[in-house]
Amino acid sequence: EVQLLESGGILEQPGGSLRLSCAASGFTFSSHAMSWVRQAPGKGLEWVATIADSGSRTNYADAVKGRFTISRDNSKNTLYLQMNSLRADDTAVYYCAKHRGSSSTFDWGLGTLVTVSS
Amino acid sequence: DIQMTQSPSSLSASVGDRVTITCRAGQSISRYLNWYQQKPGRAPKLLIYAGSSLESAVSSRFSGSGSGTDFTLTISSLQPEDSATYYCQQSYSSPTFGGGTKVEI
Repeated sequence: EVQLLESGGILEQPGGSLRLSCAASGFTFSSHAMSWVRQAPGKGLEWVATIADSGSRTNYADAVKGRFTISRDNSKNTLYLQMNSLRADDTAVYYCAKHRGSSSTFDWGLGTLVTVSS
Repeated sequence: DIQMTQSPSSLSASVGDRVTITCRAGQSISRYLNWYQQKPGRAPKLLIYAGSSLESAVSSRFSGSGSGTDFTLTISSLQPEDSATYYCQQSYSSPTFGGGTKVEI
């Protein structure tokens, strides 16, 4: 059974930094691309970033490009999201998502809440 | 980015009703279209992938159709547990989601 457990969400001030982690189990982590998807309170789903199975390629939404970095450690079955220069509109539940096959069809984690406020 | 437009944004229906939600892509996405169900405080759950393939263990009252730019999610006989928000998502390129449809019983 696929299990994705996010951690690291807290209350952070504008301009601050935060690193989210996602511990994966129940599948061969190194064989799947992974993404982060977020959901602001009361709003819809927004894709944030994707990393290839090997970690060699990454892709970002314009809203986070240059501020967020997605990475992975296949030896630890863990996905990361480094978030810098945080803004109030980054406030959201951040979901870790496993890609099925070569498509962006997702299996989802439980989510972790990031709140950016002074 | 490929824009995904869902309609309606919300609907109210009765138990046993047939419910249809539509999703339109800003350009052709072949059949690279997924549908998710999300209940309050929970992660999204995959219902339909590749336009019309039913995810394992999902009730057969859910079905998907369409290709190109126009897609439909149908609930054949609405049940109380179907109260949720439904999202379409294109997987043709960098993923984008529709705005969601809130279904109330």
